[in-house]
Amino acid sequence: NAGVTQTPKFRVLKTGQSMTLLCAQDMNHEYMYWYRQDPGMGLRLIHYSVGEGTTAKGEVPDGYNVSRLKKQNFLLGLESAAPSQTSVYFCASSGPATYEQYFGPGTRLTVT
Amino acid sequence: GEDVEQSLFLSVREGDSSVINCTYTDSSSTYLYWYKQEPGAGLQLLTYIFSNMDMKQDQRLTVLLNKKDKHLSLRIADTQTGDSAIYFCAEKVGTGRRALTFGSGTRLQVQP
Repeated sequence: NAGVTQTPKFRVLKTGQSMTLLCAQDMNHEYMYWYRQDPGMGLRLIHYSVGEGTTAKGEVPDGYNVSRLKKQNFLLGLESAAPSQTSVYFCASSGPATYEQYFGPGTRLTVT
Repeated sequence: GEDVEQSLFLSVREGDSSVINCTYTDSSSTYLYWYKQEPGAGLQLLTYIFSNMDMKQDQRLTVLLNKKDKHLSLRIADTQTGDSAIYFCAEKVGTGRRALTFGSGTRLQVQP
């Protein structure tokens, strides 16, 4: 039981490049989330999903897109990376009957 | 609106008790959480408390909730060097999207 996993762990992009971050969970959770963590700002919600095939915007969705084609996977895409998207990205999931969220180890993204 | 605030830094000596404080503004908070983040790692759920409770104890951890003052605290008894980490307070509001609002984190430094 791996919990929540994220790939890649690190990535460096040039401005304008695109990439996809993958999150996978093996707990059969309905709900999945993408956060970004910046120094001194805690975690901010980018997008979330309440089930397979559904997605919704969080606090800071601009510049990101997401997809939830399979229940266990939640993808975060950056179509045209900007230096302001340099951050650590965390994926989380939670089940239908509980509210606590389980986090992946994070992806550290640098955009130059 | 939702806003969660924490002090940035706390330093204690090994063996002492640590008290990490958090204030929140939304009186409709239903659940409040404490997460721990060690360097380079994701967030680990430590404990949570329902809004209809005043206190919750779990081994060395004691959570106190003062709903009148919208104040949450985490007490760690017999603090160890392994407790050095960043501690995040988070709240869940209402029954909507199930996402959490996080504080900016308190860095706990335990000195031998």
